[in-house]
Amino acid sequence: KQEVTQIPAALSVPEGENLVLNCSFTDSAIYNLQWFRQDPGKGLTSLLLIQSSQREQTSGRLNASLDKSSGRSTLYIAASQPGDSATYLCAVRPRVGNNRKLIWGLGTSLGVNP
Amino acid sequence: EAGVAQSPRYKIIEKRQSVAFWCNPISGHATLYWYQQILGQGPKLLIQFQNNGVVDDSQLPKDRFSAERLKGVDSTLKIQPAKLEDSAVYLCASSSGLAEAYEQYFGPGTRLTVT
Repeated sequence: KQEVTQIPAALSVPEGENLVLNCSFTDSAIYNLQWFRQDPGKGLTSLLLIQSSQREQTSGRLNASLDKSSGRSTLYIAASQPGDSATYLCAVRPRVGNNRKLIWGLGTSLGVNP
Repeated sequence: EAGVAQSPRYKIIEKRQSVAFWCNPISGHATLYWYQQILGQGPKLLIQFQNNGVVDDSQLPKDRFSAERLKGVDSTLKIQPAKLEDSAVYLCASSSGLAEAYEQYFGPGTRLTVT
């Protein structure tokens, strides 16, 4: 059974720091992995989608990597800003299993202090 | 392009009352999802439509929840009667296809409080 874990659960950093959020999954048989951002009381914003054949994706100050063999993905945020404060969730789409539904982590709550 | 639209944004009802949520997906997106997200948890898929057909409703509590997408565009999710444990954010998402490679785009969600 696929399980997704995100560590740490919460993180607080000063503005300007580079930081890494971690996502691990137990079964490497995945189609893709997606990183989302969620602001308090709001919906989810898709940040990056990495297909299983890809190693990384970049968008602006964000870089996501994928290592299927070790069951890990990282989201790197460069030069963090207070506006980056939010909860970051990762989700994997398994290749096998019940309708191959997205399997979600519980998220990392990020606070960037001015 | 316009994103996924949802309404209302907030709803407070008493237990045993009924409530309905509306979702308008991104234009041209064939696949529509309804998720329930309880505070501190990841989203849980309730139902997935491909056009106006149901692909997966295995986690939908069918004794009280219902959903429809009659013309393959807009969708409504209804709860009747509501229970305290239904308090959550209800998220609608859409994607351009059914294939697993397609990215899902989410709406702003409806926050439901059942008292």
